Amino acid sequence: DTGVSQDPRHKITKRGQNVTFRCDPISEHNRLYWYRQTLGQGPEFLTYFQNEAQLEKSRLLSDRFSAERPKGSFSTLEIQRTEQGDSAMYLCASSHGTSGRTDTQYFGPGTRLTVL
Amino acid sequence: GDSVTQMEGPVTLSEEAFLTINCTYTATGYPSLFWYVQYPGEGLQLLLKATKADDKGSNKGFEATYRKETTSFHLEKGSVQVSDSAVYFCALYNQGGKLIFGQGTELSVKP
Repeated sequence: DTGVSQDPRHKITKRGQNVTFRCDPISEHNRLYWYRQTLGQGPEFLTYFQNEAQLEKSRLLSDRFSAERPKGSFSTLEIQRTEQGDSAMYLCASSHGTSGRTDTQYFGPGTRLTVL
Repeated sequence: GDSVTQMEGPVTLSEEAFLTINCTYTATGYPSLFWYVQYPGEGLQLLLKATKADDKGSNKGFEATYRKETTSFHLEKGSVQVSDSAVYFCALYNQGGKLIFGQGTELSVKP
């Protein structure tokens, strides 16, 4: 069990550029989640996948954001035309997804995005 | 909608002091409750959880009891160490896929 991994760990970009983050979940975890965390706040839910199906998206996920999980393995989160307000830590988590209400999410180290 | 409220930080304690971090929640139904910890420069780690009323979660000397009557899940530790310095997040999981987090409480333990 190597845990949830995320790449890159840090990304600095200029406003208006596109960025893509990758998340590799714990193997055999069916669910994969994306959250955003700004300084001094708790993580906020963005979206989640059950296998390759995207089941829920938050209102925080504007049209500039898109997430995919091809083949139900790793996931990517793309932000188009980045804005300074997108600067945050983007967290990925995974879980078995078979335990109902007792399902436990395990988090990766996060990708810190800075938009200049 | 569902929500979690934590006591504001930062909390500063001396080593071996008793710790309580308050957490209350609002939710329909019967959520599961979690405490996550975030050490400096690291990701969120699950500290403990409880999935039904009166359950007590425990790990590394930390404890929290799921109190449905007071909608609370306060985190306690009898004797904190410098290595416990971190940000602590209370969270609930009800329905759908998402965890709902409190705003976090920063703990600083001085030797």
